[in-house]
Amino acid sequence: QVQLVQSGAEVKMPGASVTVSCKASGYTFNSYGISWVRQAPGQGLEWMGWISTHNGNTNYAQKLQGRVTMTTETSTSTAYMELRSLTSDDTAVYYCARDWSGYSAYWGQGTLVTVSS
Amino acid sequence: DIQLTQSPSFLSASVGDRVSITCRASQGISSYLAWFQQKPGKAPKLLIYTASTLQSGVPSRFSGSGSGTEFTLTISSLQPEDFATYYCQQVNSYPITFGQGTRLEIK
Repeated sequence: QVQLVQSGAEVKMPGASVTVSCKASGYTFNSYGISWVRQAPGQGLEWMGWISTHNGNTNYAQKLQGRVTMTTETSTSTAYMELRSLTSDDTAVYYCARDWSGYSAYWGQGTLVTVSS
Repeated sequence: DIQLTQSPSFLSASVGDRVSITCRASQGISSYLAWFQQKPGKAPKLLIYTASTLQSGVPSRFSGSGSGTEFTLTISSLQPEDFATYYCQQVNSYPITFGQGTRLEIK
């Protein structure tokens, strides 16, 4: 069965960077793209971007351009999302999700990133 | 960017009720719309895609309709496990956007 297992919770200082990993199993990794979505405490869902696991092409949300990098490692079936220059506004649960016909059909369990001094 | 506006933002209903949630897009998105259900502390779950196609394993009491700019999610007979927050999402064009959510609570 399709599974996406994300890395554990992180606490970061303002200005630091964080990398969240998303390890996939149960399917051919480079056949489906991966999206990243975040959710601030008590707030709605915010799309962060998408990466093709086939060729590495990316599409990022404008507001995160320059601070976010999404990558994949086919040998380990793992996707990564790095977010730099963190502020308290980046405190959120971060989700990876696998595409299916263009829709996010399978989701990781979420990773809480807390930015605090 | 395409804005999605859900209404209502909050809905109080009873088990067995029929409820509908509307999602309006700021411009036409054909049928490139999905509906998600999210429970506290859990990842969103895909319910419906391409506006009206039920995802595998989702109960048939859920249905979706619409195209262009107006879409509806209907739950025909609310069950206790349906009380959650619902989001619409458009995948017609980047950036992908979500509605603000509709919180469905037990009356």
